[in-house]
Amino acid sequence: ETGVTQSPTHLIKTRGQQVTLRCSSQSGHNTVSWYQQALGQGPQFIFQYYREEENGRGNFPPRFSGLQFPNYSSELNVNALELDDSALYLCASSLMDRKETQYFGPGTRLLVL
Amino acid sequence: QKEVEQNSGPLSVPEGAIASLNCTYSDRGSQSFFWYRQYSGKSPELIMSIYSNGDKEDGRFTAQLNKASQYVSLLIRDSQPSDSATYLCAVIPNQAGTALIFGKGTTLSVSS
Repeated sequence: ETGVTQSPTHLIKTRGQQVTLRCSSQSGHNTVSWYQQALGQGPQFIFQYYREEENGRGNFPPRFSGLQFPNYSSELNVNALELDDSALYLCASSLMDRKETQYFGPGTRLLVL
Repeated sequence: QKEVEQNSGPLSVPEGAIASLNCTYSDRGSQSFFWYRQYSGKSPELIMSIYSNGDKEDGRFTAQLNKASQYVSLLIRDSQPSDSATYLCAVIPNQAGTALIFGKGTTLSVSS
């Protein structure tokens, strides 16, 4: 157990809808990163938040957006869902002094129909 | 352009054997390297990190790094059926931020 939690565990949406995924980081971790893992692929970096600001973004369109709150928890929002957005969404948190060592939560499995 | 390459496998070894998993990366300036284990339907679990050339041992696991060859490997000694999983190699390239770049993973199957 990493102490990172995510909700919901599973979600089914239809194309065009919007979704919000949530992540609570391990105590003391102030950096949260989000990844998308399609079936049979490695996780792909979406973006990272540090002290409530975006601290890097991968090759994802603007309809993927996020927030980090003062308690370091985080949200990932996806607008105008597409079928290809179906994936496992992973949140990872890091210790304050070792931001590169990231511990993953259990993930949210999103299915877009 | 892929930055981290792994043989997808499956790699099959008998129980008690040594499993050798390999990974190459394209960014020569990369400084941080990680191995994650992912069981089917679960999230990745960090098992090893390595930052300097050479070997790093942790129990039955040994990570090896060769920056000149841009090569990282993971050896699992005395493989057990419970080691059957997908092993993901991850690298932090030499750029601002701490985004992990993952390979596709190698599936390991240990038969009893």
